[in-house]
Amino acid sequence: GENVEQHPSTLSVQEGDSAVIKCTYSDSASNYFPWYKQELGKRPQLIIDIRSNVGEKKDQRIAVTLNKTAKHFSLHITETQPEDSAVYFCAGLFGNEKLTFGTGTRLTIIP
Amino acid sequence: SAVISQKPSRDICQRGTSLTIQCQVDSQVTMMFWYRQQPGQSLTLIATANQGSEATYESGFVIDKFPISRPNLTFSTLTVSNMSPEDSSIYLCSVEQTYLYGYTFGSGTRLTVV
Repeated sequence: GENVEQHPSTLSVQEGDSAVIKCTYSDSASNYFPWYKQELGKRPQLIIDIRSNVGEKKDQRIAVTLNKTAKHFSLHITETQPEDSAVYFCAGLFGNEKLTFGTGTRLTIIP
Repeated sequence: SAVISQKPSRDICQRGTSLTIQCQVDSQVTMMFWYRQQPGQSLTLIATANQGSEATYESGFVIDKFPISRPNLTFSTLTVSNMSPEDSSIYLCSVEQTYLYGYTFGSGTRLTVV
């Protein structure tokens, strides 16, 4: 079945530095990879996504890269700010219109 | 993007009882999903709510425990039946939007079973 592994489970970064979260997947038929940010007590919010016909996508301080050959994709946050502190989830869509989520990364930005 | 209203936002229930959670979308959507998020954990798909037919359940989830209704393209309910403390969790509905907006979540229902 579909499986998405996410690393690290926790990440602490000094404010202003970059943060990178990585995910790998097992089903090569996947074609859509979103990233969600979940603040404490709130719903997951889509922050960026990438489709299998592109290798990289940027939106201001956030970027996602996709390597279909290696079956992994990564979230990059540059110039981190305290409000970036949250739990981040990667996910993959595996041909059946259902998202499978990674285990999550708790990101803490240290002022 | 679509606006999803989910209620109740939270509830404390006695074991053995049932709770029905509602999810209302402000536009017609084809795909609606129900997820469970246990404390400190990731999101696990319970089922896909199909309009006009029975829901499709994921492994480990059954209709008798989590009956789902989908009477039209803007509304769905999830019932958590015969609750036990292990059912304490956040339950979220999600809809698939257009190519531009991806999958969006409702605000969630925080359920505590005592």
